[in-house]
Amino acid sequence: AQKVTQAQTEISVVEKEDVTLDCVYETRDTTYYLFWYKQPPSGELVFLIRRNSFDEQNEISGRYSWNFQKSTSSFNFTITASQVVDSAVYFCALSEAGNRDDKIIFGKGTRLHILP
Amino acid sequence: EAQVTQNPRYLITVTGKKLTVTCSQNMNHEYMSWYRQDPGLGLRQIYYSMNVEVTDKGDVPEGYKVSRKEKRNFPLILESPSPNQTSLYFCASSFEQGPQETQYFGPGTRLLVL
Repeated sequence: AQKVTQAQTEISVVEKEDVTLDCVYETRDTTYYLFWYKQPPSGELVFLIRRNSFDEQNEISGRYSWNFQKSTSSFNFTITASQVVDSAVYFCALSEAGNRDDKIIFGKGTRLHILP
Repeated sequence: EAQVTQNPRYLITVTGKKLTVTCSQNMNHEYMSWYRQDPGLGLRQIYYSMNVEVTDKGDVPEGYKVSRKEKRNFPLILESPSPNQTSLYFCASSFEQGPQETQYFGPGTRLLVL
């Protein structure tokens, strides 16, 4: 059975610090997708990234970066030089099956507070 | 403007009164999905659709129905709502371009079942 664990329920950092959000997943499939989403205080959901299980390259998008390590079943998300606008709840998710014909399971989320 | 719309945004109803939450996207996406969000339980997928007339159960499909008669619309139907279906509901659509995927979410529908 698939499972996503975000052990950090809540994190607070001071603006401009780097912060890493952890995501550990469980799956029996060799082919799967991993996702990260952001939910700011306004409540909308924002898709951040999808990573295929065959692609272990790290991804960088501006101040955001993702570290995918199959050996530890982790897909961690780092925000560099955090800003107040990064304050949100962040969800990690997993979808088994390589062509997205399977359901998606979410972690419980990490609430990130960026303090000015 | 690329968008996913949901209606209504807020709804208060009573147990047993059938309701439909509409979801529409203007991007010709094949994949659409419904989620519910509850305090302490996080986000859970209800149903998803890979294309027209192709739907499948997510993690928590009980008490819900969906249909996908045309690509742009993916309504969520509660035939006999119960208080445990009080929740915040999100619709989403997505497309793949090679190895990349982009997803768009609707603004959410807050449902209260009395």
